[in-house]
Amino acid sequence: AQKVTQAQTEISVVEKEDVTLDCVYETRDTTYYLFWYKQPPSGELVFLIRRNSFDEQNEISGRYSWNFQKSTSSFNFTITASQVVDSAVYFCALSEAWNTNAGKSTFGDGTTLTVKP
Amino acid sequence: DSGVTQTPKHLITATGQRVTLRCSPRSGDLSVYWYQQSLDQGLQFLIQYYNGEERAKGNILERFSAQQFPDLHSELNLSSLELGDSALYFCASSETGRDSPLHFGNGTRLTVT
Repeated sequence: AQKVTQAQTEISVVEKEDVTLDCVYETRDTTYYLFWYKQPPSGELVFLIRRNSFDEQNEISGRYSWNFQKSTSSFNFTITASQVVDSAVYFCALSEAWNTNAGKSTFGDGTTLTVKP
Repeated sequence: DSGVTQTPKHLITATGQRVTLRCSPRSGDLSVYWYQQSLDQGLQFLIQYYNGEERAKGNILERFSAQQFPDLHSELNLSSLELGDSALYFCASSETGRDSPLHFGNGTRLTVT
């Protein structure tokens, strides 16, 4: 069975600090997909990034960057120079590759990030 | 705006009652998923439909059922409601099952009193 662990329940930083959100996953599949989602205080869940198990290249998008390390089964998310608007709950998710049209994403428990001005 | 529409936004009902939650997926998406988000259990996968057929099942109670109609909208039926069913219910859609990101609706907040 697959599992996603986000050990950090809550993180609080001051604006402009860098912050890293940890995600560790377990799966028996050799092909799988990892995602990060953001849930701001308004409640909607927003997709941030996808990574497949064959692509270990790190990715940077503006102030966001993701570090995928298959050797440690981790897919960590770093926000550089955090802003108040980054305050949200962040979820890491793992999708099984059953077949083309069936999928189930398992979510971690989420990390609540609070960025103080 | 994700393009996924969920109705109603809020629902308050009594124990023992039955409710129906409705979801319209993004245009072109054939997969619809239902998730339950509660404070003590996080985001739990309930069920997935692809083009009208059930494709994956998670921790969905027998009192709950879902279906996807020919126009691809989906309904989640919750019956014999208990206090513990109070939660935020999300619908999501995606292009395919396994490798496409989920696009979530704004959720239906169900309160059972």
